[in-house]
Amino acid sequence: EIVLTQSPGTLSLSPGERATLSCRASQSVDSSYLAWYQQRPGQAPRLLIYGASSRATGIPDRFSGSGSGTDFTLTISRLVPEDFAVYYCQQYDSSPRTFGQGTQLEIK
Amino acid sequence: QVQLVQSGAEVKKPGASVKVSCKASGYTFTGYYIHWVRQAPGQGLEWMGWINPNSGGTNYGRHFQGRVTMTSDTSMYTAYMELSSLRSDDTAVYYCARGSDITSTPTPWDFWGQGTLVTVSS
Repeated sequence: EIVLTQSPGTLSLSPGERATLSCRASQSVDSSYLAWYQQRPGQAPRLLIYGASSRATGIPDRFSGSGSGTDFTLTISRLVPEDFAVYYCQQYDSSPRTFGQGTQLEIK
Repeated sequence: QVQLVQSGAEVKKPGASVKVSCKASGYTFTGYYIHWVRQAPGQGLEWMGWINPNSGGTNYGRHFQGRVTMTSDTSMYTAYMELSSLRSDDTAVYYCARGSDITSTPTPWDFWGQGTLVTVSS
């Protein structure tokens, strides 16, 4: 099983700042199959990034993904109020599918 | 437009079973896997398994094997997830999500149901 570890657990920033979220895998992940999701309170997860660096339909360009192998990063260039949420990375190739434990992005 | 609409909230007693439905629209139901994921209160996302609605084939997470059954009704464009022998720690929101095209390489989960809260309490 591929274990995904996200850091930090909580990130406190202000609107306008840059956010950098990390996802580390216990073994190499084909970057074609690494995704990031955003989850706001009371809502289902929303696909942001797939293939490690491709934005999903309708996702603003302030969201970007990078990385390969075991280290992946989600960057939000300039935070706006609606970006404060929980973010999960996921690998969707090998079984079992796994998610990271999440990073809570909160307003400072 | 693609939509996945799940059944409503359930309250069950320990030891009972629950069956959650996920009705698909806006795409060819038999052409994509359906995954089930759950989220306990204040916790992260836990994958439960998938079903291929075309063949009925399934793949369950090890944690759920023996307790979960995923089925589909192609005439109703609906997938089902039944969890038995419920315990209090099965209290969670259960989501369905559209997975990959069954004929292609894995793709991300671009559409999700709204979630179904299952509460297990005596």
